[in-house]
Amino acid sequence: SQTIHQWPATLVQPVGSPLSLECTVEGTSNPNLYWYRQAAGRGLQLLFYSVGIGQISSEVPQNLSASRPQDRQFILSSKKLLLSDSGFYLCAWMLGTGVSGELFFGEGSRLTVL
Amino acid sequence: AQSVTQPDIHITVSEGASLELRCNYSYGATPYLFWYVQSPGQGLQLLLKYFSGDTLVQGIKGFEAEFKRSQSSFNLRKPSVHWSDAAEYFCAVGAGANAGKSTFGDGTTLTVKP
Repeated sequence: SQTIHQWPATLVQPVGSPLSLECTVEGTSNPNLYWYRQAAGRGLQLLFYSVGIGQISSEVPQNLSASRPQDRQFILSSKKLLLSDSGFYLCAWMLGTGVSGELFFGEGSRLTVL
Repeated sequence: AQSVTQPDIHITVSEGASLELRCNYSYGATPYLFWYVQSPGQGLQLLLKYFSGDTLVQGIKGFEAEFKRSQSSFNLRKPSVHWSDAAEYFCAVGAGANAGKSTFGDGTTLTVKP
């Protein structure tokens, strides 16, 4: 069966510090991968998605970047965090060749920037 | 561009009562529609989805939803709510194989009174 792991689960970082959130998927090949951010009391905002290794699409201009160094690994990064980067970050995957459209989410990473 | 509106930010129902959560979408073609549930501090889990065919779809945990094209709606229902249903519910619209770019509503928080 497929599983998705995100870490760290919780992170408290000072403004201006770097960030690295990691996500890995097991049990499937060539998935589409996504990073969403959920601000308090808000819905999910798509930040980045990837349909293959090294292929990253950004949905909104921001202080963050994403990379996909391996087929089932997706990394969210920042060189210098801003207060506005605080939020709940969710990684998700979808079958890359199917049309189901169902997203499978990780457990999330809560980032607090102080 | 696709969009989703969940008009109710917060709903409170008594345990055993019926539930309906509203969702309206905007999309130029036949939409792929989803309802997800999120427990506090957790990722999202798919409740049900609609792609085509029967407009009344059944999901997990006793939930169902009805697609009404004329009203651009996809409301979620449950005949008898259990205390464990207290959570946040998100409606989403996608676009087939590119449905990883699902657009989410802002969510409805469900509180269940004993």
